[in-house]
Amino acid sequence: KNEVEQSPQNLTAQEGEFITINCSYSVGISALHWLQQHPGGGIVSLFMLSSGKKKHGRLIATINIQEKHSSLHITASHPRDSAVYICAAPLNFGNEKLTFGTGTRLTIIP
Amino acid sequence: DVKVTQSSRYLVKRTGEKVFLECVQDMDHENMFWYRQDPGLGLRLIYFSYDVKMKEKGDIPEGYSVSREKKERFSLILESASTNQTSMYLCASSSRQRGPYEQYFGPGTRLTVT
Repeated sequence: KNEVEQSPQNLTAQEGEFITINCSYSVGISALHWLQQHPGGGIVSLFMLSSGKKKHGRLIATINIQEKHSSLHITASHPRDSAVYICAAPLNFGNEKLTFGTGTRLTIIP
Repeated sequence: DVKVTQSSRYLVKRTGEKVFLECVQDMDHENMFWYRQDPGLGLRLIYFSYDVKMKEKGDIPEGYSVSREKKERFSLILESASTNQTSMYLCASSSRQRGPYEQYFGPGTRLTVT
């Protein structure tokens, strides 16, 4: 079974700063998921990536398959980016079930 | 617009009560999931269903049961609620057709058992 670890657990930054959240996993996978959870509970999928890099607006996700490591970056951070960011990986390659990191609580101060 | 809905956002129940949490998806997804989320522990899978009437235990099934009589609806049942089942419960669904099996989440139900 895959083990997923995220760091840091909590991150507070000033508006405009460049943010990096890290995720490592133990078993080879087909794709890694990055999720966002705002206060109130709803979770949305930000990225699914199996190689290289993906970009959506100010969010960038990268993955290194050989090192079993992924990063989520936020450029020009804004208070509305404040949320919990969660990475998730399939239990093993091609599995439909996910195992989740414990999340990174990001707070952006104006 | 894809949608997963849950029957309640907030629920307060007494110890020993039978509790039903319902989840409905409108995307014709085969897979449905029930998770609980606790601080410091992340999301943990309670039960998974890959088809009508089919289910698999997840990591923490004790004290829970599920029902899937129709493809769009997946119910989580707490037979006799206990205070250690106070938590946020999240439902999700995904298609089986091909990877990487993106999961779509409901808004969550915050259950308090007193």
